[in-house]
Amino acid sequence: GAVVSQHPSWVICKSGTSVKIECRSLDFQATTMFWYRQFPKQSLMLMATSNEGSKATYEQGVEKDKFLINHASLTLSTLTVTSAHPEDSSFYICSARGQLAEYNEQFFGPGTRLTVL
Amino acid sequence: AQSVTQLDSQVPVFEEAPVELRCNYSSSVSVYLFWYVQYPNQGLQLLLKYLSGSTLVKGINGFEAEFNKSQTSFHLRKPSVHISDTAEYFCAVSCTGGGNKLTFGTGTQLKVEL
Repeated sequence: GAVVSQHPSWVICKSGTSVKIECRSLDFQATTMFWYRQFPKQSLMLMATSNEGSKATYEQGVEKDKFLINHASLTLSTLTVTSAHPEDSSFYICSARGQLAEYNEQFFGPGTRLTVL
Repeated sequence: AQSVTQLDSQVPVFEEAPVELRCNYSSSVSVYLFWYVQYPNQGLQLLLKYLSGSTLVKGINGFEAEFNKSQTSFHLRKPSVHISDTAEYFCAVSCTGGGNKLTFGTGTQLKVEL
């Protein structure tokens, strides 16, 4: 159990366009979803935390108008990279925490590789 | 705030040899500790976690880790590695209590050679 999917798994777009990445919890209800960014050979950096039905909380230095997060249901959160530029190219990973995960366990998606040309 | 230090960026080891990946943390409050594995172009998979109780924690794939509060360490060990263990390993920490974030170390690349 506790499977998290992401779509798409990879995307290539032109500079200036917007890209939407979906994160779904397939077999549990996720009250909280987390979005991370990982540059090559580096660790995961938390971008934002989203709770179902409320606004996301962004980490310091992350532009909320650039990275739009919507957690509209207990099984779906989306990250939209608006007006993407080459420096936004990265591996984006989401995780989800369920209502019964009293010990803060996060279940991770497989990641989405974004390449902006 | 918490922080995690993984001193070894790369650890080469021969197949069937033992391995230890080091992790030290810093926190002013009680923490939960985790080890994750990441295979190329994939998300993270939980290997094991320490929440409370016994300081020796056993995880999947034959891995284990020991929580040492006095040394603020949570080193990962495996007595005999396989080629398939080649991957990136991340140590992470979170505060106890609900809703808190994970802070990751910089990762250790384990490379198992024949």
